[in-house]
Amino acid sequence: GAVVSQHPSRVICKSGTSVKIECRSLDFQATTMFWYRQFPKQSLMLMATSNEGSKATYEQGVEKDKFLINHASLTLSTLTVTSAHPEDSSFYICSARSRGIYSNQPQHFGDGTRLSIL
Amino acid sequence: SQKIEQNSEALNIQEGKTATLTCNYTNYSPAYLQWYRQDPGRGPVFLLLIRENEKEKRKERLKVTFDTTLKQSLFHITASQPADSATYLCALNSNSGYALNFGKGTSLLVTP
Repeated sequence: GAVVSQHPSRVICKSGTSVKIECRSLDFQATTMFWYRQFPKQSLMLMATSNEGSKATYEQGVEKDKFLINHASLTLSTLTVTSAHPEDSSFYICSARSRGIYSNQPQHFGDGTRLSIL
Repeated sequence: SQKIEQNSEALNIQEGKTATLTCNYTNYSPAYLQWYRQDPGRGPVFLLLIRENEKEKRKERLKVTFDTTLKQSLFHITASQPADSATYLCALNSNSGYALNFGKGTSLLVTP
């Protein structure tokens, strides 16, 4: 159980293109989803927290107009990298947290999207 | 500032030995700590969670300790196997809520 599907797994596109990444919880309802970015040999860095039906909360230094997040349902969140540039090339990973009042529930991660901007 | 530090050096051990990975943190007062495994090009997979009032937690060949005085957690894999080769991440909840802050991870290589 607790499977998170992330799509696409890899994107290669030209500079200036907008790229949409989908994150789906397949067998549970995810009230909260998180988007992380990971550079080679670095830790996962939280970009934003996405709650179903409300605006995402962005971490300091993350441009909300650059990284558009939509959490339209309890099983789907999307991240759109608008007008992507080479410096946006990275490994983007989503995670989902199921319903529950306890903050210690583990998160379930997708398999990531490798974004390469030429 | 808050920091989560893991051994940056890769850990190479022989199959059958016990691997011990370290996670130290500063400027956190965590109620619990989590360990994840990450394989190349994949997302992290949850392994274990330990609460502040638990000194030790076990799951099959895995054992985690948590010392809130030392601000340290140790992660042990006993009878290690080549399939255990991966990067192991330590994670704490951010002060702002449910999001996780991760260490950089320690790469483990188990050789036959």
